[in-house]
Parts: sequence; structure tokens; C-alpha cells
Amino acid sequence: GAVVSQHPSRVICKSGTSVKIECRSLDFQATTMFWYRQFPKQSLMLMATSNEGSKATYEQGVEKDKFLINHASLTLSTLTVTSAHPEDSSFYICSARGLAAQETQYFGPGTRLLVL
Amino acid sequence: GQNIDQPTEMTATEGAIVQINCTYQTSGFNGLFWYQQHAGEAPTFLSYNVLDGLEEKGRFSSFLSRSKGYSYLLLKELQMKDSASYLCAVMDSNYQLIWGAGTKLIIKP
Repeated sequence: GAVVSQHPSRVICKSGTSVKIECRSLDFQATTMFWYRQFPKQSLMLMATSNEGSKATYEQGVEKDKFLINHASLTLSTLTVTSAHPEDSSFYICSARGLAAQETQYFGPGTRLLVL
Repeated sequence: GQNIDQPTEMTATEGAIVQINCTYQTSGFNGLFWYQQHAGEAPTFLSYNVLDGLEEKGRFSSFLSRSKGYSYLLLKELQMKDSASYLCAVMDSNYQLIWGAGTKLIIKP
């Protein structure tokens, strides 16, 4: 299967700081990347969908000014959690999909964020 | 509305066979995916069905019936490492993935 990397794998930060998470497709071009959040023992929750070169589409209830998404190239998308608070502590997972809309989404390994 | 149903939890014995069912009601259908997610890790892709029938891949098989809005994931010769959550996801007419809540599979020796 296709390989998606995510960096960092784990981050601890102080409340009020911003954290940037990178998602890269290593062996394919990802027209579309997805950002998910998952709280312990809960389902995946889609936060936003980003298409290369255009603005991200956010799901209802997700603040676009708090979760900044940039998808500047076909292999890289970034999620910046701005002014992080303890309630933002979660497991953030990206996935990437190739050029065709019906292609499989492949997931990165996830980033565990802890805000103190 | 769109809905994916799968059992919350299942228990099976090492070496046995288990079938995890998934029923769905979505606006359009462009395929059904099964993913495996171990605790604390991201999901990994298992299978994709877009036509009716059974797709076999080693110890894992996935079945689809579009007319019934039904799929199952069949795991044979269960191993302890198969203990994980199994997520069913359907791609709707807008090519958006609609996720089930996942089935936690517990394997006992």
C-alpha cells in the first residue's frame, strides 16, 4: 500500500502555543488529504478535507481559524493548532488519497498532542 | 441521513473464525472499505469492495451485497495480534467516506 508519514508523532506543549503537524505522501501524489481527530475510545472524527492548491473544507463545528490547514503541494499538507488548550489534546491523524476520487485513503501514523 | 451500523464489540477464540457485519444507508455508493485499527495507532487499509461478492486476501475476506446494503469482514485462523478495532466505511456519491463507529474485536486464547 501507499505510504503516508506524519510528523511529529508526539508533542507536548503549553496552553496558548501553536503546534504544526505535517502530513506527507511519500510514494504517491495526494490530490486530497484529510485530517481526523480521535479521542480515546471514540470514533474517528473528520475535521477537514484539503485539496491541493485550494482552501480546506471544514466539517460542521470545527473552527477554521483555530485549525489552520495548508495543502501547498501534492505531497504535503499541514495542520496548525493555534492557541492550543487542554481540550485540544487528542490523537490527530491525516490520510491521503490519490488523483481519482474513488481511490483508497491511506492513513499516516498519527500525532498525539498533549496540551498542558 | 447517512448511517453505518456495526457491532460495538465481539469476542472470539484464537484459531477460530469471526465475521464482522456492517450495514449501511448512504446517499449513493462508490465502494466500501474495511480498516483495522490497533489501540493507540492509526487505521490501516484492509479491503475495498465496489462490486457484489467476496474478495479474499489471505486470512481476511470481505463480502458485499449492494442490494442489501450489507458487508462483512471474515477473519480466519484468528491470531492474538488480530485483536483490534475494525472500521467499516462507505464512500458516498460525493466520494466522501462515511465511517462506522468500529467493532472492537477481542481474541481470547
